[in-house]
Amino acid sequence: SQQGEEDPQALSIQEGENATMNCSYKTSINNLQWYRQNSGRGLVHLILIRSNEREKHSGRLRVTLDTSKKSSSLLITASRAADTASYFCATVVGNTPLVFGKGTRLSVIA
Amino acid sequence: DTEVTQTPKHLVMGMTNKKSLKCEQHMGHRAMYWYKQKAKKPPELMFVYSYEKLSINESVPSRFSPECPNSSLLNLHLHALQPEDSALYLCASSQEGHPGNTIYFGEGSWLTVV
Repeated sequence: SQQGEEDPQALSIQEGENATMNCSYKTSINNLQWYRQNSGRGLVHLILIRSNEREKHSGRLRVTLDTSKKSSSLLITASRAADTASYFCATVVGNTPLVFGKGTRLSVIA
Repeated sequence: DTEVTQTPKHLVMGMTNKKSLKCEQHMGHRAMYWYKQKAKKPPELMFVYSYEKLSINESVPSRFSPECPNSSLLNLHLHALQPEDSALYLCASSQEGHPGNTIYFGEGSWLTVV
């Protein structure tokens, strides 16, 4: 069953702009992870945020987590054409590893 | 670059064929996973192995048969598949089966059933 739901489903921006993607989930979580997938390729782990954390940074990435609203956001600053990909949030619920949301397709136009 | 290696990258098989997908990791991880991903859909969990024992089977049809020969290897044996089984099959691993660990994915094996 699906846990996360990303918003928007598709996002198109100009190079240099910031991209924000949101993820909502349904049940309590241990942690939430964000992944990137280039077309037809494997998933690349971006960042993990634990349920007791509110914000985390990694390079140009900033992730927030609001457990009261059951939501997370991924901000990519100063986007590049190479950031074009699908981005998924995934949650760990109980002992079930990684249940993925539907994903956001990001297009960064040079 | 991923440290989870999957072979083959592409596989075309008939509905009566028997084939296998292979996955290898050398990160010392003790949990390994198979996910299935259809086009424009998120990955869906199929199986989890923890310390070489099957710990999760997400009600996958028996025409998919996983095998974990040792802690570094994970196979997915395929037999009597249907065209709707065509998908990207992703292998992944994590340090152990604890759900809090980061899961690392391979590049996937594209399967086409004809």
